[in-house]
Formats: sequence, C-alpha cells, structure tokens
Amino acid sequence: RKEVEQDPGPFNVPEGATVAFNCTYSNSASQSFFWYRQDCRKEPKLLMSVYSSGNEDGRFTAQLNRASQYISLLIRDSKLSDSATYLCVVNKGVTGGGNKLTFGTGTQLKVEL
Amino acid sequence: EPEVTQTPSHQVTQMGQEVILRCVPISNHLYFYWYRQILGQKVEFLVSFYNNEISEKSEIFDDQFSVERPDGSNFTLKIRSTKLEDSAMYFCASSELGTLGANEQFFGPGTRLTVL
Repeated sequence: RKEVEQDPGPFNVPEGATVAFNCTYSNSASQSFFWYRQDCRKEPKLLMSVYSSGNEDGRFTAQLNRASQYISLLIRDSKLSDSATYLCVVNKGVTGGGNKLTFGTGTQLKVEL
Repeated sequence: EPEVTQTPSHQVTQMGQEVILRCVPISNHLYFYWYRQILGQKVEFLVSFYNNEISEKSEIFDDQFSVERPDGSNFTLKIRSTKLEDSAMYFCASSELGTLGANEQFFGPGTRLTVL
C-alpha cells in the first residue's frame, strides 16, 4: 500500500464549481498533515495545515479523520488560478528530529471557463 | 515575505562529475531539508539537517550524497559522482521548528539537475 494515496485526476471543473480531493495515508503514527499546491515545474507551496478539528481558510476547507486515516480538501467557488496539482502530505513527526514529509503523487485540478 | 532561495536554477553536468547545489534557508529557521522530484513523479525526501548534523535520511541518500552548512546562511547538497538517474528537480526546504508546532516546511524554487 502506498504511504500516501491520492486520485491523480485530472479533475476538470467549470469556474465557480466546488471540488473535493481525498487522500489516505498508511502510517497511523503520522502526526502532521498538510495540503500543498504545485504549479507545473514549480516548488510545492503550502496551502494549509490540516487539524483534527478541521479547518477553513477562505474558500478552502480541510478535514482529517484519524480513525480512517483520511484527509480531504474542499475548494469552493473555484477560480481559474486554482488550476494546479494538489499534494497531500503527511509527517510522521519522530520526536527528536527528522520531520520527514511524505508526499502523495498529487491530484491535478483544471478549472475551465 | 522571507523565502528559501536556491542556486543555480538549472545545472547541467556530465555523468561522473561532482555537483553542489546551494540553498539559503529562511533566516530564523532551524531545520533544513533536501527533497527531489524526478520529472512526472512525486516529491521524495532525501535528508533533514538540524544542529549541524543529519537527523534523518532516506534510502536514496547514499554515500554519493552529502550535506553541509558551511556558514551561517548556506545549506548545500553535494553529489559526488553523478549518475543519469540523478537527473531531477532538487528542492531545499526549511522549517522553524521540528516535530512540534511551527513545523511547516517552506520550499525553495528548486534546482533542475540534468546529468548527460
């Protein structure tokens, strides 16, 4: 089983649509969870951290279900500029250092007029 | 807004040559990382560095790789004898803290390494 699994997409949606991405992770010891976005041939950019209680940042809402080892990202009122690859990322958070991030392969989103 | 910087943006080298990729992490950050992304594949962890020593490394980070913080600002990745399969985008990242709190990692723009 992959450490972090995502549907690669692409998700093609019209502007204004709501789109949801899902992710599962295999290591139950994972401590921190993130969504990054990556534009073509660019660096991953932190979109938001994901907390157990769920969190929202403008049009973006992230949810975490530790029992199911499942993370989601919801984008409302999608914009053309949201077109990118969305990376689900987990961190095992080994005490004393490490802090290694494990990335999913990403889900590609294309927002169209 | 502070950011991670990397040089060069693109490095072309011959197989067997040594390369050094350079990074300047965000100034108040204490943890530094190298990741790589082969074209079309996912981002993979290479190594993390804290307090002037490696804190974790992946299977990819073999004896051909080394990291160094030669001064107070730079963080370097050296590949001693490059192979064709080392061709990838190499990202440097830094975080303020490690495992607990403020552990978000911020990435530099990357160095594209092409080994011929």
